[in-house]
Amino acid sequence: KNQVEQSPQSLIILEGKNCTLQCNYTVSPFSNLRWYKQDTGRGPVSLTIMTFSENTKSNGRYTATLDADTKQSSLHITASQLSDSASYICVVSASGGSYIPTFGRGTSLIVHP
Amino acid sequence: SAVISQKPSRDICQRGTSLTIQCQVDSQVTMMFWYRQQPGQSLTLIATANQGSEATYESGFVIDKFPISRPNLTFSTLTVSNMSPEDSSIYLCSATERELGGELFFGEGSRLTVL
Repeated sequence: KNQVEQSPQSLIILEGKNCTLQCNYTVSPFSNLRWYKQDTGRGPVSLTIMTFSENTKSNGRYTATLDADTKQSSLHITASQLSDSASYICVVSASGGSYIPTFGRGTSLIVHP
Repeated sequence: SAVISQKPSRDICQRGTSLTIQCQVDSQVTMMFWYRQQPGQSLTLIATANQGSEATYESGFVIDKFPISRPNLTFSTLTVSNMSPEDSSIYLCSATERELGGELFFGEGSRLTVL
């Protein structure tokens, strides 16, 4: 069964600090992995998308890594801002024609001033 | 990219009534999906909306409760029928298109409260 596990479930950090969110998956055969940011009351917005051959991808202060061998990904947020407070969701898709992805439960990040 | 508009953005409904949520994409897309997100939870796929044919429902979701229409490649509706308080949730429309790199786009969601 395809599964995506995220950790930690929630995280509180001070403004300006860095943090790293984790995502482990068992989706196979692997096609791509995406990180989404979901602000409260809003729809998810894509931060990064990585395929099998990509190890790192950055989007501003967000850097995602992918280790396809160990089936792990991380999302690193640098110099956090109050606006980073949101839920971060890891989404993994399998190859083979199906576009139905597997969602993680998300990590709830709160950035305090 | 694709821009997805959903309406209503929120509604408060009475038990036993039905509500139809509309989803409009600004470009033709191959696949459209409907998700439910309960408070504090991640997204759960309700069904894949198939253009011109019956939607494909996931386990635990049935057509009588969540009828879906998709008359063309840019529009879909989800109806939540005979609502109960347990249906209170955010309902999200999403779409993907191979020509867009397989990116999955989301609408802003429709927050439904059933009293």
